[in-house]
Amino acid sequence: EAGVTQFPSHSVIEKGQTVTLRCDPISGHDNLYWYRRVMGKEIKFLLHFVKESKQDESGMPNNRFLAERTGGTYSTLKVQPAELEDSGVYFCASSQVASSRNEQFFGPGTRLTVL
Amino acid sequence: GQNIDQPTEMTATEGAIVQINCTYQTSGFNGLFWYQQHAGEAPTFLSYNVLDGLEEKGRFSSFLSRSKGYSYLLLKELQMKDSASYLCAQRGGGNKLTFGTGTQLKVEL
Repeated sequence: EAGVTQFPSHSVIEKGQTVTLRCDPISGHDNLYWYRRVMGKEIKFLLHFVKESKQDESGMPNNRFLAERTGGTYSTLKVQPAELEDSGVYFCASSQVASSRNEQFFGPGTRLTVL
Repeated sequence: GQNIDQPTEMTATEGAIVQINCTYQTSGFNGLFWYQQHAGEAPTFLSYNVLDGLEEKGRFSSFLSRSKGYSYLLLKELQMKDSASYLCAQRGGGNKLTFGTGTQLKVEL
């Protein structure tokens, strides 16, 4: 079974440009999460989808960030316009609803560098 | 907010035992996870505790005390491949995880 995949693995852009990150969760996982790790800090929650609906977007830093999950399969996270402080590693995770443990399976992340 | 505290780094010898501690705020507690992350790779699930006590899985065990807001990850018979970052994460409402900064473990010969 394929794990969570993310694209691209790395992205280097200039301040003011737009970047779109993609996440493909494990097939059948209704829950999809975005997290971010800024250098030297802990991994922080951004938002949570259940199927195509945003369940919790309390961690989104500002309105320059837009996440979508049309059709309830893959998700995209767009940053427009990017700022220097947006640099970091963006992780996606997915989980099933059924189990009480409900562990989240993480992708390898997209390393975003804003110059 | 929820603060997760764990040591920044630890060093241990191959074949030895190491214990990585984690403390968290007890309010809103809904489970405690440990993940392993090698550099440049995805965090991978190691263990889950929601009730007090020890959960054992092969060379890895995890302990939880809910009243003390305390957990530890125990790694036995250390191998060089165990060199990695170990992330303590608390689950709160809505299943979102709050992570510590991770403990970088270095296993030496």
